Amino acid sequence: QKEVEQDPGPLSVPEGAIVSLNCTYSNSAFQYFMWYRQYSRKGPELLMYTYSSGNKEDGRFTAQVDKSSKYISLFIRDSQPSDSATYLCAMTGLGVGSNYKLTFGKGTLLTVNP
Amino acid sequence: GAGVSQSPSNKVTEKGKDVELRCDPISGHTALYWYRQSLGQGLEFLIYFQGNSAPDKSGLPSDRFSAERTGGSVSTLTIQRTQQEDSAVYLCASSLGHSGEKLFFGSGTQLSVL
Repeated sequence: QKEVEQDPGPLSVPEGAIVSLNCTYSNSAFQYFMWYRQYSRKGPELLMYTYSSGNKEDGRFTAQVDKSSKYISLFIRDSQPSDSATYLCAMTGLGVGSNYKLTFGKGTLLTVNP
Repeated sequence: GAGVSQSPSNKVTEKGKDVELRCDPISGHTALYWYRQSLGQGLEFLIYFQGNSAPDKSGLPSDRFSAERTGGSVSTLTIQRTQQEDSAVYLCASSLGHSGEKLFFGSGTQLSVL
């Protein structure tokens, strides 16, 4: 079992839809959870960063962490064509020996159709 | 520049040749990371530099891979005797702190080994 599992999609939605992206993980030492957005031929860009369990909201984006289920989510409200990209979850924690090493999911390719 | 700069953006080489990939981090960022992104795979940690400390090379896949960081700034990743399985996007990132949660990535070098 991989440490982080993420459905690669592709996911295609109409403009204005609510998008739900998810990752599951197996390492209970993970404490810091991130979502990166990667446009084609570009490097990943940090979208959301959360510590431990709970919700965090930033504009149209909401990140949720459920440590008891080892499950994290990213919700995008009122999705726009400019949201079309690959979304990568990433995580790390003090207990993994070196918290600067991020473990990434494989990414979910999202297309928002106008 | 304002962001992490990587060069070249694309590199095509023949099997068995050596290649050098360059990364210029954001000014003032003490931490520098190299990751590899292979087709259909998540980002894979390669190496981490922090200030004047010894680098964490634990992610380098073989002794054909090496990296250095001169003067605490620019970094070079060298791959000797390239193999076809080395074909991937090599991403460099930098951050202010020493924990991995807020990385700024460059656009990467797409390496193709023929």
